[in-house]
Order: sequence, then C-alpha cells, then structure tokens
Amino acid sequence: AQTVTQSQPEMSVQEAETVTLSCTYDTSESDYYLFWYKQPPSRQMILVIRQEAYKQQNATENRFSVNFQKAAKSFSLKISDSQLGDAAMYFCAYIRETSGSRLTFGEGTQLTVNP
Amino acid sequence: DAGVTQSPTHLIKTRGQQVTLRCSPKSGHDTVSWYQQALGQGPQFIFQYYEEEERQRGNFPDRFSGHQFPNYSSELNVNALLLGDSALYLCASSFFDRALEGYTFGSGTRLTVV
Repeated sequence: AQTVTQSQPEMSVQEAETVTLSCTYDTSESDYYLFWYKQPPSRQMILVIRQEAYKQQNATENRFSVNFQKAAKSFSLKISDSQLGDAAMYFCAYIRETSGSRLTFGEGTQLTVNP
Repeated sequence: DAGVTQSPTHLIKTRGQQVTLRCSPKSGHDTVSWYQQALGQGPQFIFQYYEEEERQRGNFPDRFSGHQFPNYSSELNVNALLLGDSALYLCASSFFDRALEGYTFGSGTRLTVV
C-alpha cells in the first residue's frame, strides 16, 4: 500500500520570506503523480501544484515550486515570497498512474504566515 | 463552470441515527470519491464511484454506503451513527482515466454526532 508522510505538523514563516514543507512517500510503483493541496479555513481543498514521476524537471507554479527526488521518494514544496493568504493546511498527496486510482494524503502541515 | 457542490454544509445528528450526504461533481467529471477528514488530520478515503458502481473502498465498515446516479451525482449514507463519525466529509470528482488532472473537491459537510 502507498503511504504519504508529512513530518512537520506545523510551520511558520515571516511574510515575504521562503518556507519549505517536507513530504516523503512509499510506493513500489514506477508511474505515479504527486500533488500539493492547500486547505484554508473555508475547508475546500485547492490544488497548488502537481508533479509527474517520470519527469525529472521540478514543477513550478508562480511562487510555488517543488523539489522532487524520486530515488529518495521525497517531494517538498517551496513557497517563495510568502503572503498572508498562503496561511492554510497543506497536504501532500499521491496517486498511481492508473485509471480509477485513489488519491492518498499525508497528515498535513499547518502553515502560519506572520506579518 | 460549477465546481463540486456538497449539501448540507453542516449537520447535527444523534448517535444511532442515519445520515445522507449529497454531492454534485464538477461538470464533465465521471467519478466521485468520498473522504472522511477528522479535525487536524488528512482525509481518509472511504470509497469511489464510477459508472454507478463502487470501484474501490477504503478501510470503513459497512455502515458507510453510497450511490452514484446516472447524472454522476452521488450520495454517502452512514447508518447507526457513532460519536467517532463526527468529521468533515469531503466529496471529490475526477475523470476516471486522467489521474494527472487530480481531484476537484467540494467544501465538505461538517457532521457532528451527539
């Protein structure tokens, strides 16, 4: 079974600074996708960024980027120029590259952004 | 283009009662998955519906059941409610054969069992 682990229950960052959230996963599959989702107090999960396992290039989306280390099964999220609106719960998630696969989540990291 | 819609947003039930939660998927999506999220924890997979059939199931008892309708909308039913069933229930929709596109989530139903 696939597992996703986020070892940082809470993180904080000063506004305009950079923060990195950690995620590791365990799988025997070679083809899969990884995601970071953001869950603000409004409760709705919002997709932040995605990574295809077969791509060596790290994904970037504006201020958000990932460091994907496939051999180490590590998938960290870097948020640059942090903004107050970035404060939320962040979840790392995994899905196999197979029709009908389930999305498996980590435990989450609560990010606080200090003004 | 409407996203995922869940109803109701909040619900209070008494232990032993039954509850039905509803979900309308994002337009075009054909698959609905349900998750249970306890406070401060990650979502746990309950089950997934595609073509009106349960395709996968997580580690949840038979008290949890579901249904998918021809218009792809879905219901989650929980019988004989326990205090431990209190949680945020998230519905997510997706394309069955496009895992890369990920899931689109609703805002959830907050269920409180007293």
